[in-house]
Amino acid sequence: NAGVTQTPKFQVLKTGQSMTLQCAQDMNHEYMSWYRQDPGMGLRLIHYSVGAGITDQGEVPNGYNVSRSTTEDFPLRLLSAAPSQTSVYFCASRTGGARGLEQYFGPGTRLTVT
Amino acid sequence: GNSVTQMEGPVTLSEEAFLTINCTYTATGYPSLFWYVQYPGEGLQLLLKATKADDKGSNKGFEATYRKETTSFHLEKGSVQVSDSAVYFCALSLEKLTFGTGTRLTIIP
Repeated sequence: NAGVTQTPKFQVLKTGQSMTLQCAQDMNHEYMSWYRQDPGMGLRLIHYSVGAGITDQGEVPNGYNVSRSTTEDFPLRLLSAAPSQTSVYFCASRTGGARGLEQYFGPGTRLTVT
Repeated sequence: GNSVTQMEGPVTLSEEAFLTINCTYTATGYPSLFWYVQYPGEGLQLLLKATKADDKGSNKGFEATYRKETTSFHLEKGSVQVSDSAVYFCALSLEKLTFGTGTRLTIIP
């Protein structure tokens, strides 16, 4: 099992450009989430999905779109990049059901917007 | 809303010292509690968890006890090693995972 994979590892964008951060998991997990990590702020939830075809907003959804057409993939789209979106982005997944189950994190994508 | 407050870092200790990283929470409900660790350049890994009051989670010499009366989940280790240098995150889970801001730990030989 590869677990949770993310591409790219690093990306530099100019203000106004768009791009998609890819996330895939091979564990047949129902739940998938996107977080951003900023210094002194921990991880904040951007969007999440409880299954294919179902997505919802997290704590900081503005400027980001998601879709979930398959169980395996959960891409995050930046529609028009802004310097405030410079961050490290993590994708995570877990099985459905009991709230105590572990989330598995990808290695992260470091994004810089100039 | 739900929130997690953890000890601000950075924390620097000598090898074999005793470690405590404090974590308290506020939750509308009865959450599960977690400690995650992030090594340099990597994603987060689950270190330990507890799902009900008085449960003790443990892993790699680290321990934390779910204290409902004090809404706390402090992380402890009796003798730290250089390889424990990382950022540690306390988190709670009801429907979603809520993280603290993280504590950077550096262990010097």
